[in-house]
Amino acid sequence: GENVEQHPSTLSVQEGDSAVIKCTYSDSASNYFPWYKQELGKRPQLIIDIRSNVGEKKDQRIAVTLNKTAKHFSLHITETQPEDSAVYFCAASGGSNYKLTFGKGTLLTVNP
Amino acid sequence: NAGVTQTPKFQVLKTGQSMTLQCAQDMNHNSMYWYRQDPGMGLRLIYYSASEGTTDKGEVPNGYNVSRLNKREFSLRLESAAPSQTSVYFCASSPGLAGVGEQFFGPGTRLTVL
Repeated sequence: GENVEQHPSTLSVQEGDSAVIKCTYSDSASNYFPWYKQELGKRPQLIIDIRSNVGEKKDQRIAVTLNKTAKHFSLHITETQPEDSAVYFCAASGGSNYKLTFGKGTLLTVNP
Repeated sequence: NAGVTQTPKFQVLKTGQSMTLQCAQDMNHNSMYWYRQDPGMGLRLIYYSASEGTTDKGEVPNGYNVSRLNKREFSLRLESAAPSQTSVYFCASSPGLAGVGEQFFGPGTRLTVL
């Protein structure tokens, strides 16, 4: 089955800095890569996703890049703000079983 | 729209007891999922249902059963709870194919098994 590795597990940045979270996946047939944000005590919510026919996607301060050859994708957050503090999960699906497999998460802390 | 709702919000069980976690969605979605979330482990799929009347195992199905009662409701049953099932359980739904497209999560159920 699919295996998704996510790094780093924790990330601390100063407000205004950029943050980058990286994920790798194992199933070359995977073609859908979402990112979810989970604030403390809340439910996960989709913040951005990318499909395998696109290399990069942006939404205001958030961007995701995908390298299918290397089987890795990354989340980039620019001009970080304290409200960006949360756990971020990457995920992959669309391979042999169509199940969404999540990484273990990255705790991002943005210090004012 | 309420989105995805789950009951109960909190539950404490003793080892060996049984219980059913309820989930309902009012978005007319085809696919529904049950995940468990443990510290440092991310979200792990227990079972999913791609459409009414069908269910399939996820990554960690042992010790659980599910029922897709109708298009709106998807329940998760623990027949004989074990301490290893202490976790936060999330139900989710999505409009299209299982695993592809945005999943909408419920608020979660925090379960403790003593």
